[in-house]
Amino acid sequence: AQSVAQPEDQVNVAEGNPLTVKCTYSVSGNPYLFWYVQYPNRGLQVLLKYITGDNLVKGSYGFEAEFNKSQTSFHLKKPSALVSDSALYFCATRTPGTASKLTFGTGTRLQVTL
Amino acid sequence: NAGVTQTPKFQVLKTGQSMTLQCAQDMNHEYMSWYRQDPGMGLRLIHYSVGAGITDQGEVPNGYNVSRSTTEDFPLRLLSAAPSQTSVYFCASRSTGRGTEAFFGQGTRLTVV
Repeated sequence: AQSVAQPEDQVNVAEGNPLTVKCTYSVSGNPYLFWYVQYPNRGLQVLLKYITGDNLVKGSYGFEAEFNKSQTSFHLKKPSALVSDSALYFCATRTPGTASKLTFGTGTRLQVTL
Repeated sequence: NAGVTQTPKFQVLKTGQSMTLQCAQDMNHEYMSWYRQDPGMGLRLIHYSVGAGITDQGEVPNGYNVSRSTTEDFPLRLLSAAPSQTSVYFCASRSTGRGTEAFFGQGTRLTVV
């Protein structure tokens, strides 16, 4: 069975500092990996995704993530945080296949302060 | 395009009542699914469908029914509401292409008293 772990319930960072939100996964084969963001009272929207190829994936709003197969990690990063980045972030995975299902981590709340 | 539309946005039910959460998408996506979001638990899959007429159970299907008579619509029925079903419900859809991401509706906040 596939699973995703987000070890931090909350990450606090000052505006302008770099941020990292951690994600590790457990899935057989070559997974697809996603980062979703949820702003208050909104649905989830995808920030970036890894399918295959280059291990460094660039996404929306200056976010990026690095796929590390040996460490089974897919950490989300941004060089310089903004207050507007404050939100709930979910890492998710699914295996290739038409009917394959998304499995989500428990989410990490990012709080960026001035 | 509207994307994925969920109605209602908020609902309060009494224990034992039934209701249907509506979900519609206008992207011609084959794959649709329902999740519930609970604090500290992330999103858990309730039911999903890979096309009209085809549905299957997810991780937490008990107490819920679904049907998929058209590509566009995927309603979720609560048969007899229980306080444990108090949650935020999200509908999602995606195309069946390689590595496609899911698009989510804005959610329905359901409270069962």
